[in-house]
Amino acid sequence: EAQVTQNPRYLITVTGKKLTVTCSQNMNHEYMSWYRQDPGLGLRQIYYSMNVEVTDKGDVPEGYKVSRKEKRNFPLILESPSPNQTSLYFCASRQTSGTGQETQYFGPGTRLLVL
Amino acid sequence: KQEVTQIPAALSVPEGENLVLNCSFTDSAIYNLQWFRQDPGKGLTSLLLIQSSQREQTSGRLNASLDKSSGRSTLYIAASQPGDSATYLCAVYALGGSYIPTFGRGTSLIVHP
Repeated sequence: EAQVTQNPRYLITVTGKKLTVTCSQNMNHEYMSWYRQDPGLGLRQIYYSMNVEVTDKGDVPEGYKVSRKEKRNFPLILESPSPNQTSLYFCASRQTSGTGQETQYFGPGTRLLVL
Repeated sequence: KQEVTQIPAALSVPEGENLVLNCSFTDSAIYNLQWFRQDPGKGLTSLLLIQSSQREQTSGRLNASLDKSSGRSTLYIAASQPGDSATYLCAVYALGGSYIPTFGRGTSLIVHP
């Protein structure tokens, strides 16, 4: 089954304690990205990756890091989490065939609370 | 900078009604447009994707149209059912290779029996 998986699904942490949210896709997609969703602000892109070892900033990259060492994995790293990073996070992937038909697939979400 | 607006923000209808959800965008230079459904606390499920060269796409009771020149897309839901209750999001993808999407804030739909 084609899917994007994220772990953990729920996380409570404290300010300053480094954490990593993993993301994996089994569709051999080149393009992967991270979003955060906040009430009243909608979905905003944090980082994206066009392929292995190629990453770039989205709209709200401050306080986040990513890496893309393998095609299937795209972890999101919060080196020193702060309460304003409390949010619902989504990982997504899509093909980049250039046909205009590339559907984006989303993971189930990770709900993060930073105290 | 692309801005995407969805109207209405919320909608409550009785079962069986035909519905129209609206999405408007400010920059018509788009790659494609995608409609998603999101259930509370869950991820996004793709409903329909319309390429910039297309006018509409259909899947079952859903029909999405795109008018690039006027910066509008509509999602038509025929014969609504309680299971259609969810938030519907519109995402517009930019040209230029980065595929960065701009999302609307969604329309929250409740279909009551």
